[in-house]
Amino acid sequence: AQSVSQHNHHVILSEAASLELGCNYSYGGTVNLFWYVQYPGQHLQLLLKYFSGDPLVKGIKGFEAEFIKSKFSFNLRKPSVQWSDTAEYFCAVLSSASKIIFGSGTRLSIRP
Amino acid sequence: DTAVSQTPKYLVTQMGNDKSIKCEQNLGHDTMYWYKQDSKKFLKIMFSYNNKELIINETVPNRFSPKSPDKAHLNLHINSLELGDSAVYFCASSQNWDRGPSGYTFGSGTRLTVV
Repeated sequence: AQSVSQHNHHVILSEAASLELGCNYSYGGTVNLFWYVQYPGQHLQLLLKYFSGDPLVKGIKGFEAEFIKSKFSFNLRKPSVQWSDTAEYFCAVLSSASKIIFGSGTRLSIRP
Repeated sequence: DTAVSQTPKYLVTQMGNDKSIKCEQNLGHDTMYWYKQDSKKFLKIMFSYNNKELIINETVPNRFSPKSPDKAHLNLHINSLELGDSAVYFCASSQNWDRGPSGYTFGSGTRLTVV
């Protein structure tokens, strides 16, 4: 069965620390990959997406993600986090037309 | 201008009641969705409509019925509400489904609490 795994349920970092959130998917076909962010009390927003081409994808707010096909991974990174990055982060895969599967989310807490 | 709007934002109701959540998008997108986010923040797709036609219908109770009067609207009607229906329900839209969406635009969510 197709699935998306985010093993970090809750990550706590200090400001200016580097961030890496793990995302692994299980699907053998062509995948489209996404990272979404949900700030407290707000709706989901798209951070970045990968469809094809350069496996290193740049997104908004200084985030980036790297698609490593051999590892079935699409980890999210940011070199220096800010307090305003406190949010819930969701990895998602579009395994076939319109069937998007979300991971369970990673809560990121940033200490000021 | 809100791209995907859901009403109401909050809904508290008693078990056994019937309620509806409305969703409208002004993006000109062809495809709309309903997702359920449970207490563990896990998002699951429930339904998807493309140009008013149902294209995804995941395993959800028959008490849940989507209705799409036109491609800009996708409403969710729930009959005989149960405690387990308490969750946040998100509406979303995408430009098209068969060429792969460039991304999803989500509404702000409707927090449903069944008491």
